Amino acid sequence: GEDVEQSLFLSVREGDSSVINCTYTDSSSTYLYWYKQEPGAGLQLLTYIFSNMDMKQDQRLTVLLNKKDKHLSLRIADTQTGDSAIYFCAEIGPYSSASKIIFGSGTRLSIRP
Amino acid sequence: ETGVTQSPTHLIKTRGQQVTLRCSSQSGHNTVSWYQQALGQGPQFIFQYYREEENGRGNFPPRFSGLQFPNYSSELNVNALELDDSALYLCASRGGGSFQTDTQYFGPGTRLTVL
Repeated sequence: GEDVEQSLFLSVREGDSSVINCTYTDSSSTYLYWYKQEPGAGLQLLTYIFSNMDMKQDQRLTVLLNKKDKHLSLRIADTQTGDSAIYFCAEIGPYSSASKIIFGSGTRLSIRP
Repeated sequence: ETGVTQSPTHLIKTRGQQVTLRCSSQSGHNTVSWYQQALGQGPQFIFQYYREEENGRGNFPPRFSGLQFPNYSSELNVNALELDDSALYLCASRGGGSFQTDTQYFGPGTRLTVL
């Protein structure tokens, strides 16, 4: 079945890099996503990566994909207090046209001064 | 600010009651999806509507139903509420492009509590 797993918490010092990890089980996943959720706000798509890529960089964000191990990571460089949020890893397979995105349980990122 | 709004913000119901949640999408977004997010969990896909018809559904019973209207608004209806239906309900809208890469814009959600 489809499953996405993440660690629940991560605490980093301001200015350091944050690395959030995720594993998924569906080998037919075509796209993998990272979403950010702040209190009282909806989900915000941060970035996505196609399954035939192994890395994608977008300003402070770097996504690494190891398809063999079904492992996805999100690195946030120079972590700031505004990065405090819950980060969700998600995947979508080659299903129908429905937007059936499978989300992990989220990693809560907290920033220490 | 995603341009997707939801109402009400919070709602309290009792077991067995029925509830209607509302979503207003961005103009031109003809696809809307609904998700249920239980406390401490990631969102779970309920269903999707495209041009006023349901065209995809997750593992939710028929007492979860929806409507989509031509004015880019939509509703999620839940009958015979159960305690486990307590959650944040999110709607997300997008245009008619690729369902995999076309950005979904999420609303802030409706927090439903069932007592």
